[in-house]
Amino acid sequence: DIQMTQSPSSLSASVGDRVTITCRASQDVRNDLAWFQQKPGNGPKRLIYTASRLQSGVPSRFSGSQSGTEFTLTISSLQPEDFATYFCLQNYHYPWTFGQGTKVEIK
Amino acid sequence: QVQLQESGPGLVKPSGTLSLTCSVSGGSLSSGNWWSWVRQSPGQGLEWIGEMHHSGGSVYNPSLESRVTISVDKSRNQFSLRLRSVTAADTAVYYCARDRAAGTDDPFDIWGQGTMVIVSS
Repeated sequence: DIQMTQSPSSLSASVGDRVTITCRASQDVRNDLAWFQQKPGNGPKRLIYTASRLQSGVPSRFSGSQSGTEFTLTISSLQPEDFATYFCLQNYHYPWTFGQGTKVEIK
Repeated sequence: QVQLQESGPGLVKPSGTLSLTCSVSGGSLSSGNWWSWVRQSPGQGLEWIGEMHHSGGSVYNPSLESRVTISVDKSRNQFSLRLRSVTAADTAVYYCARDRAAGTDDPFDIWGQGTMVIVSS
């Protein structure tokens, strides 16, 4: 299985901060990487797919990038509604695998 | 707007079978997409269980393959999960989700709200 190592596992930040979350794949996943946001009691919401394509309706402060097998989700200016858990998913090679998640908390 | 809704018993006895259904509304199960089940154990990460296509194809996570069946009921626009011989380790929130259609790069764009299943006697 492809391991997705996500970091950090949690972070504290303030409104307006720039936040960066990273997922590193244990092997090549091409650009088949998606990012999701999850809030308590809700199903995941897709933010980014194919590493850098912004989901329709998602604010432009969210962006995704790739360097080899390292993928980054950036929130350029954290907003109150962005406090949530974020995780990545590789869908290049079965079985699909997820990162362990990053909980973004209010500082 | 396609929506997914999971349903099924919230409590299953150890060694029993977990059975869940995902109802698709606002669109057709036969749209060409693959349809997945994913679970999230309390305090743990997400685990992909498997997926199916309306044409009958299915792919399972090898870690669960010996115990899992995903099936489709096109007449009801639903797909189902059966997980046999459950233990406490199968206690989780179970989600259904729409995966990509063949030839596209549009995975997991729609998810259900999730349903909690507890394995306990």
